[in-house]
Amino acid sequence: NAGVTQTPKFQVLKTGQSMTLQCAQDMNHEYMSWYRQDPGMGLRLIHYSVGAGITDQGEVPNGYNVSRSTTEDFPLRLLSAAPSQTSVYFCASSSGPPYNEQFFGPGTRLTVL
Amino acid sequence: AQTVTQSQPEMSVQEAETVTLSCTYDTSESNYYLFWYKQPPSRQMILVIRQEAYKQQNATENRFSVNFQKAAKSFSLKISDSQLGDTAMYFCAFKRYSNNNDMRFGAGTRLTVKP
Repeated sequence: NAGVTQTPKFQVLKTGQSMTLQCAQDMNHEYMSWYRQDPGMGLRLIHYSVGAGITDQGEVPNGYNVSRSTTEDFPLRLLSAAPSQTSVYFCASSSGPPYNEQFFGPGTRLTVL
Repeated sequence: AQTVTQSQPEMSVQEAETVTLSCTYDTSESNYYLFWYKQPPSRQMILVIRQEAYKQQNATENRFSVNFQKAAKSFSLKISDSQLGDTAMYFCAFKRYSNNNDMRFGAGTRLTVKP
């Protein structure tokens, strides 16, 4: 049981490049989320999904796309990277009520030059 | 919108002593969950303790306990018998009962346990 996995762990991009951050969970959780963590600001919700085929925007969605074709996978796409997207990205999954505990992946540190 | 405030950017404590981390939140909801997460230098987010707003009894997990004051919208974390391994960033988080994905985090408190 690997929990929530994220790849890559580190990535450096040039402005304008695109890439996909991968996230997978093996706990059969319906709920999955993407957060970004910036210094002094805690974690902020980018996008989330309540099940396969269903996604919605969080607090800071601009510049990011998501899709959820399977219960296990929830990739985050940066279509045209900008320096403002330099951050640490966390994927999380949750079983929902009654426990509502979110399980986090190890994070991806992204630098956009 | 829900907001979470942690007013102590950094704190330190001597090993074996007790420390309390503060958290306040703002919401108009009556049903919600509150959490404390620990983030050590490994960057992994680890759940420390959870509190359901409808429960009056404060949650405890071994050396960790909370003081939940619903009317004051306050949710502090007490760490007893502090250990070197408690050194980490601590985040307070709020989640509405009605939305399982909308979790709001505070800015964090960096705790250092000194030998």
